Amino acid sequence: DAGITQSPRYKITETGRQVTLMCHQTWSHSYMFWYRQDLGHGLRLIYYSAAADITDKGEVPDGYVVSRSKTENFPLTLESATRSQTSVYFCASSPGTEAFFGQGTRLTVV
Amino acid sequence: DQQVKQNSPSLSVQEGRISILNCDYTNSMFDYFLWYKKYPAEGPTFLISISSIKDKNEDGRFTVFLNKSAKHLSLHIVPSQPGDSAVYFCAASDYSGGGADGLTFGKGTHLIIQP
Repeated sequence: DAGITQSPRYKITETGRQVTLMCHQTWSHSYMFWYRQDLGHGLRLIYYSAAADITDKGEVPDGYVVSRSKTENFPLTLESATRSQTSVYFCASSPGTEAFFGQGTRLTVV
Repeated sequence: DQQVKQNSPSLSVQEGRISILNCDYTNSMFDYFLWYKKYPAEGPTFLISISSIKDKNEDGRFTVFLNKSAKHLSLHIVPSQPGDSAVYFCAASDYSGGGADGLTFGKGTHLIIQP
C-alpha cells in the first residue's frame, strides 16, 4: 500500500531500555521528519532528514538517535528511555511543501 | 519561544454556521503556511495551505486568509459540519530552505461542532 506507515502503533517499555520506532514511506519523498505530540505542546520536531544519509536535529533531539540509510526508512531510536519520553510519536514525509503523516506510535515508558 | 501561536485551545460552533480558527506567527522568515486536521488516534492530515505571495486560498468549504503585516492567518470553514469536529493545527515553514527543516506547529485548537 502506498503511504507512510509506522510500527509499532503502541509500545510500553521500561526506563533505561533502548527502543526503536520504525517509519517507512513508499512515495520516495526526499524529506522525512519525526515529531512528538504532548499535551500543551502541540507537535514538536525531533529530527529531520533531507535525503539518505543526511539528518539534522530539530527542536527536541536530546535522548534520540536517527538514521537514514535508505530513502524510504527513517527509524527513531531512544537510546535509554526515560519517563519524559512518554508521548505520541509521528513520522512524516514531504516532497518539499506539505508533509504527510503516519498514524503515530503511542509510547509509554514505565 | 513559540513561533506559531494558536491562542484558542477550543472552539464550539453550531452546525451550519461559520467556524473561524486563528493563528499568529512571529518568525518573519516563514513563507508557507498550512492547516492540518487531526482526529483522535490518527495522524494529522493536510487540509489547506497558502504561500506568502497570496492573501487567500480556497478549497471547497475551507478558506485560509493570510495577513502578512499582522503576521496572522485564519481558517474559515463554511458551513460547519459534524465531521469537522477535530483538532486543527496551524503550521509554518521557511520554504526558501526547500522545506528540508520541517514545519513549526502551533499547539492546536479543538473545534467542536454542536448539532
